[in-house]
Amino acid sequence: EAAVTQSPRNKVAVTGGKVTLSCNQTNNHNNMYWYRQDTGHGLRLIHYSYGAGSTEKGDIPDGYKASRPSQENFSLILELATPSQTSVYFCASVPGGENTLYFGAGTRLSVL
Amino acid sequence: SQLAEENSWALSVHEGESVTVNCSYKTSITALQWYRQKSGKGPAQLILIRSNEREKRNGRLRATLDTSSQSSSLSITATRCEDTAVYFCATEMSNYNVLYFGSGTKLTVEP
Repeated sequence: EAAVTQSPRNKVAVTGGKVTLSCNQTNNHNNMYWYRQDTGHGLRLIHYSYGAGSTEKGDIPDGYKASRPSQENFSLILELATPSQTSVYFCASVPGGENTLYFGAGTRLSVL
Repeated sequence: SQLAEENSWALSVHEGESVTVNCSYKTSITALQWYRQKSGKGPAQLILIRSNEREKRNGRLRATLDTSSQSSSLSITATRCEDTAVYFCATEMSNYNVLYFGSGTKLTVEP
């Protein structure tokens, strides 16, 4: 089973601060994704990547940046965190040739 | 996403009963996937059904796809307490490498 590791698992940040959420997978999957999950909205796509050096905007990219420095690592960056970004964030990766998402356990972010 | 939506916010059944979760979507798709998310965990795929398939099974799970009505269903037979989770449908579209998720149906299986 593909393993996707997110860190930290929980984060409390202050409004206006910078937050970096990290995701690591050692499955050599090409595609990686960041979703946020809020009650009533399900999972919404923020950014995704096709491989090292690539980032693409998803449905709700405003206020977020993404970085894919290597095949294994995909980060989500909140340069100026706001309370509306309080949510649970999930990273996922997809093996080449299929579209099954393998999710990490999530990061619970609270912006105060 | 409005591209896929489950038709019920919450369902409750007793152990041993069968239950069906329904999903509707709004655009042409190449496949539809069902995911389950247990409390405190990330979603995990249950079934992937392609647009040229009408039915797919995985143990006690059965998914159907009706492209003419743009709808899908996930049926669970002989439910168990451990089936308690949120169930999502997610759509794939041609030329896109992303999945669009509905807002989920919370299923509670009571003893």
